[in-house]
Amino acid sequence: DQQVKQNSPSLSVQEGRISILNCDYTNSMFDYFLWYKKYPAEGPTFLISISSIKDKNEDGRFTVFLNKSAKHLSLHIVPSQPGDSAVYFCAASARSFGNEKLTFGTGTRLTIIP
Amino acid sequence: ETGVTQSPTHLIKTRGQQVTLRCSSQSGHNTVSWYQQALGQGPQFIFQYYREEENGRGNFPPRFSGLQFPNYSSELNVNALELDDSALYLCASSRRLGESYEQYFGPGTRLTVT
Repeated sequence: DQQVKQNSPSLSVQEGRISILNCDYTNSMFDYFLWYKKYPAEGPTFLISISSIKDKNEDGRFTVFLNKSAKHLSLHIVPSQPGDSAVYFCAASARSFGNEKLTFGTGTRLTIIP
Repeated sequence: ETGVTQSPTHLIKTRGQQVTLRCSSQSGHNTVSWYQQALGQGPQFIFQYYREEENGRGNFPPRFSGLQFPNYSSELNVNALELDDSALYLCASSRRLGESYEQYFGPGTRLTVT
């Protein structure tokens, strides 16, 4: 049972344009969401997070939007740069219920075209 | 500030053998989580240790066991290795701090079981 889903295995975006990565979840107990970036032969690198009490969080070029009613979140990268090419994972946890484990999606490979 | 480190980087074992993987958490972090990432999948939660006690476990059999030491470093032990145990094993450390406690990952140990 895949509780966190990233339905787009890959995405290609022109340099300078906006990259939008999507993530859906099914578990209503999830209340904390994170995005990680992963390069080959490296561990995932934390990018940005959002608590369920918010619907938007911004950090530089990265913005995460959360739509609780739709159980959907998205990561916007503006403007996209070649160094953003990587696999992006969405992750969720149910912290309020004492559960700190992260449940990950299967990832989206983002390719920025120069 | 020293990041999360893991050893060894790569390991090849034979089915039925036992393996120990090691992780040093980021300075100031008191929680360590272990994840297994199979090819093409997102990381799967194995277990978490907080102040030397197991604090949650994923859907992995008892032959996966762990330890956390007083300096918050950690070990993952896998007994009776099976071919399906071949994966990237990731360690992540975190520190409970107010509303946020993002998990920071090490580079991983690539385990191959033949």
